[in-house]
Amino acid sequence: DAKTTQPPSMDCAEGRAANLPCNHSTISGNEYVYWYRQIHSQGPQYIIHGLKNNETNEMASLIITEDRKSSTLILPHATLRDTAVYYCIVRARMNRDDKIIFGKGTRLHILP
Amino acid sequence: GAVVSQHPSRVICKSGTSVKIECRSLDFQATTMFWYRQFPKQSLMLMATSNEGSKATYEQGVEKDKFLINHASLTLSTLTVTSAHPEDSSFYICSARDWDTDTQYFGPGTRLTVL
Repeated sequence: DAKTTQPPSMDCAEGRAANLPCNHSTISGNEYVYWYRQIHSQGPQYIIHGLKNNETNEMASLIITEDRKSSTLILPHATLRDTAVYYCIVRARMNRDDKIIFGKGTRLHILP
Repeated sequence: GAVVSQHPSRVICKSGTSVKIECRSLDFQATTMFWYRQFPKQSLMLMATSNEGSKATYEQGVEKDKFLINHASLTLSTLTVTSAHPEDSSFYICSARDWDTDTQYFGPGTRLTVL
């Protein structure tokens, strides 16, 4: 079973920041938070990951709460191409037996 | 970023035939590869995990004799759907773990239609 809880859908106006929340209250100390997204009829695309510090790359920012029980993925200036299903995943690293189990994710609609 | 390719991207076959799907990591070595299946409007479902040079580990409910997985090299894994039937029609997605970054990257998917 997925270890995360996400809202099933969200809307965001084009050009605005999209903030996607994720709850992972049972996260273990050695587990990281990963975000992927899946655009329709494509394979999932890696976005970002983090352990406890906030992270930023060219695609997004990841904000993890101090207790690590929740996080928020931020797309700073959403475009129509960001319309996709976003998956929040927790997993341990450097574990040969680790595998990604997908939940239902959040379907993000970017509105023109 | 790391690239994973799949071939073919789309295949249509007759019921009873076998179909092979290839998954390649193009710019990194993948000791572990994964195969997922996705039905319309559903999330990805993990079918099996394959480690290079060893037998694949199948998830509960996935028939290993029907979905043959071979991971013969550090850059190639294949999934063969044997004696395909219409209910096997689905979107098949592979992924590969880049051990250097310990990040899993996904292929673009293969849409299988069995007539």
